[in-house]
Amino acid sequence: DVKVTQSSRYLVKRTGEKVFLECVQDMDHENMFWYRQDPGLGLRLIYFSYDVKMKEKGDIPEGYSVSREKKERFSLILESASTNQTSMYLCASSLLGTSGRAPNEQFFGPGTRLTVL
Amino acid sequence: SQQGEEDPQALSIQEGENATMNCSYKTSINNLQWYRQNSGRGLVHLILIRSNEREKHSGRLRVTLDTSKKSSSLLITASRAADTASYFCAGGRRALTFGSGTRLQVQP
Repeated sequence: DVKVTQSSRYLVKRTGEKVFLECVQDMDHENMFWYRQDPGLGLRLIYFSYDVKMKEKGDIPEGYSVSREKKERFSLILESASTNQTSMYLCASSLLGTSGRAPNEQFFGPGTRLTVL
Repeated sequence: SQQGEEDPQALSIQEGENATMNCSYKTSINNLQWYRQNSGRGLVHLILIRSNEREKHSGRLRVTLDTSKKSSSLLITASRAADTASYFCAGGRRALTFGSGTRLQVQP
């Protein structure tokens, strides 16, 4: 079974703190993704990565950065946390798509519920 | 931007009934996927339908895709209380964009 793990289920931070959210997958997937999920807005893509040291902005990258130093690990960084970054953060991974890079099935972690006070 | 818009936003049915959820999307897609999310959990992939397919079945799930109307539907037949969850459609060309989901409540 594919396993995607996230470092914390719940996290409480203060405004201005630097926050690291870690995601690890054990299936040698090329693609990894970070989403945030807010009521009524569904999932919104923050950043994704197709390979080690490679990253691409998603729909809402402002206020976030990412790091992918190893294939199995994809980190989301909030340089200076703000209250509007309180949300559920979901990490996912997938195999690299074939035939024009069509998106493959994504495997999700359990999520990290981040509260910024 | 959201790729998919699910309709209805919420649906409540009795066990044994069928549940139909619809999804409309905006841009071109290579495939469309449906996911399920139990409360407070990550998403689980249900089914993928390619842009050149019109219908696909998997157990009690039936998905249709109409690329001319940019719409898809998910039918769950003979629903069970355990089907209670949120359901999302997602599509795109490289990365997936998700809709805001349909909350399904199946009453025992």
